[in-house]
Amino acid sequence: QVQLVQSGAEVKKPGSSVKVSCKASGGTFRTYDISWVRQAPGQGLEWMGGMIPIFGTTDLAQRFQDRVTITTDESTSTAYMELSSLRSEDTAVYYCARALPNFFDSWGQGTLVTVSS
Amino acid sequence: DIQMTQSPSSLSSSVGDRVTITCRASETISIYLNWYQQKPGKAPNLLIYAASSLQSGVPSRFSGSGSGTDFTLTISSLQPEDFATYYCQQSYGTPYTFGQGTKLEIK
Repeated sequence: QVQLVQSGAEVKKPGSSVKVSCKASGGTFRTYDISWVRQAPGQGLEWMGGMIPIFGTTDLAQRFQDRVTITTDESTSTAYMELSSLRSEDTAVYYCARALPNFFDSWGQGTLVTVSS
Repeated sequence: DIQMTQSPSSLSSSVGDRVTITCRASETISIYLNWYQQKPGKAPNLLIYAASSLQSGVPSRFSGSGSGTDFTLTISSLQPEDFATYYCQQSYGTPYTFGQGTKLEIK
């Protein structure tokens, strides 16, 4: 079973960037898709994008194309999601999840990002 | 983008009840439909994948059915730990999209 452990909560100013990490243990990191899903307070789930380390390809939802960067470090089995130009509407819990590839079977614990001046 | 619509948005039921939640896709998605359970402050947990396949470790009281555009999640006999929010998700194509959620509450 894969375990995903995310970095801690962040408080950011509008216009700044945040980088959330997701460290995997178990399984073969380089072969599976890591996706990022966010959930605004009291709201539903929103897929932001994903990456397959072995291919080095990233697939992003169109609304995040110009603000999200997803990277991986195979040497540490860690995935990263950077969101730039933060605004208050980006306040949410951000989850990483493993896709197999058509369903998310393992999830990180979530990282709360608060955007506030 | 494929829109996913769940109904009802909320539901009050009692322990032992049989509950059905429906999910409709805005276009055909074959069987690329997954169900998740989420409890407050926790990450979602996969219950059903490919419309009707039970994820390992998930109790058999959970079942899924459907194909094309219409899907259902059924809980045959509600247990206290089942009160949570349930989401459907299509994996037919990106961007993957989720339903708005169904909150299952204790009557």
